[in-house]
Amino acid sequence: EDQVTQSPEALRLQEGESSSLNCSYTVSGLRGLFWYRQDPGKGPEFLFTLYSAGEEKEKERLKATLTKKESFLHITAPKPEDSATYLCAAGGGYQKVTFGIGTKLQVIP
Amino acid sequence: DTAVSQTPKYLVTQMGNDKSIKCEQNLGHDTMYWYKQDSKKFLKIMFSYNNKELIINETVPNRFSPKSPDKAHLNLHINSLELGDSAVYFCASSQVSGGNYNEQFFGPGTRLTVL
Repeated sequence: EDQVTQSPEALRLQEGESSSLNCSYTVSGLRGLFWYRQDPGKGPEFLFTLYSAGEEKEKERLKATLTKKESFLHITAPKPEDSATYLCAAGGGYQKVTFGIGTKLQVIP
Repeated sequence: DTAVSQTPKYLVTQMGNDKSIKCEQNLGHDTMYWYKQDSKKFLKIMFSYNNKELIINETVPNRFSPKSPDKAHLNLHINSLELGDSAVYFCASSQVSGGNYNEQFFGPGTRLTVL
């Protein structure tokens, strides 16, 4: 069965304090590794898709990387507006995408 | 110009009632999904339709029945509601092309509370 594990479950950072979120996945035949941001009371908002080990993508203060077993979301010099829950998801067979539990990030001014 | 819309946003009902949630996407995507997000915020796939054909049907009670009248719409009907059905239900859509998957676009969610 496909599995996605995220750590830590919660992370509290000072503004400007860089860190990384981890996503470990077990999927047979990965067809995409996705990162989403979810704000309270809203639906997940797409951030990145990665398809191959070694691939990296960046957007403002966020950078996503992918290996054969893990993905990392690096947050550089975060700001309070980066506070949200970050969800990782892996695409496996039969068009199924499995989500992790998420990392709740709080950035303190 | 909302991409994926759901109605209603909030639904409060009594145990045993039947209710429906509607979803529409204007992105021209060929695949639509229903997810359930429980109190622990875990997002779990329930159903997926590709071009009106049921592709994914996870272990969901048969009280839940999805219906896709066309590619742009996917509705969820729930019979005999139970307390454990209380959750936020998200609709999503994506374009499935070739071997790799594309990102999914999510609706704002429907918060269902069963009393």
